[in-house]
Amino acid sequence: DGGITQSPKYLFRKEGQNVTLSCEQNLNHDAMYWYRQDPGQGLRLIYYSQIVNDFQKGDIAEGYSVSREKKESFPLTVTSAQKNPTAFYLCASSSTAYNEQFFGPGTRLTVL
Amino acid sequence: AQSVAQPEDQVNVAEGNPLTVKCTYSVSGNPYLFWYVQYPNRGLQFLLKYITGDNLVKGSYGFEAEFNKSQTSFHLKKPSALVSDSALYFCAVRDMNRDDKIIFGKGTRLHILP
Repeated sequence: DGGITQSPKYLFRKEGQNVTLSCEQNLNHDAMYWYRQDPGQGLRLIYYSQIVNDFQKGDIAEGYSVSREKKESFPLTVTSAQKNPTAFYLCASSSTAYNEQFFGPGTRLTVL
Repeated sequence: AQSVAQPEDQVNVAEGNPLTVKCTYSVSGNPYLFWYVQYPNRGLQFLLKYITGDNLVKGSYGFEAEFNKSQTSFHLKKPSALVSDSALYFCAVRDMNRDDKIIFGKGTRLHILP
């Protein structure tokens, strides 16, 4: 899983709660990404950031928010507006948008 | 629109036999193509990529992929499968029309039978 860490590994959320997933990288990569993985659907892009203090919505950004205050960190908040948040969340980084991405080990979020 | 397709949800191969996991793509311009592998409850691991040059690309763990421009394919191959190769494999392509983001296929589950 390279130099990317995600925490926690498992997360349980009650209805109406916001939760924040952590993603940290020590690869000195400029670009960072958040994906959601559901069975049989591959990876869907939530948000991405190509540089500090800047980020863009991906394909399924509704109900999620991010920040990129430091190069090493790209936390994802799953808000109560996300109606079906139970999924496996993957963070990735790359040196540039042209290069391969390195993935963290993932966080499995379950709504109780 | 840029896209990538993995036509097989699952592939079964006997240990020691050659394996192929198929991928086709649709892009405008020259494609940047990638293969990743995912083991259960883990993140994806990069296997190999094609940007330019030789059509046969060699990657990690003995895998290779053949770029075929006329058939718009980028199939993943290995001469002799191991049980430990059993995993979920993703093909991906760079989307030059959308900030160079990567588009992933839906994945192919590879089962190597002992």
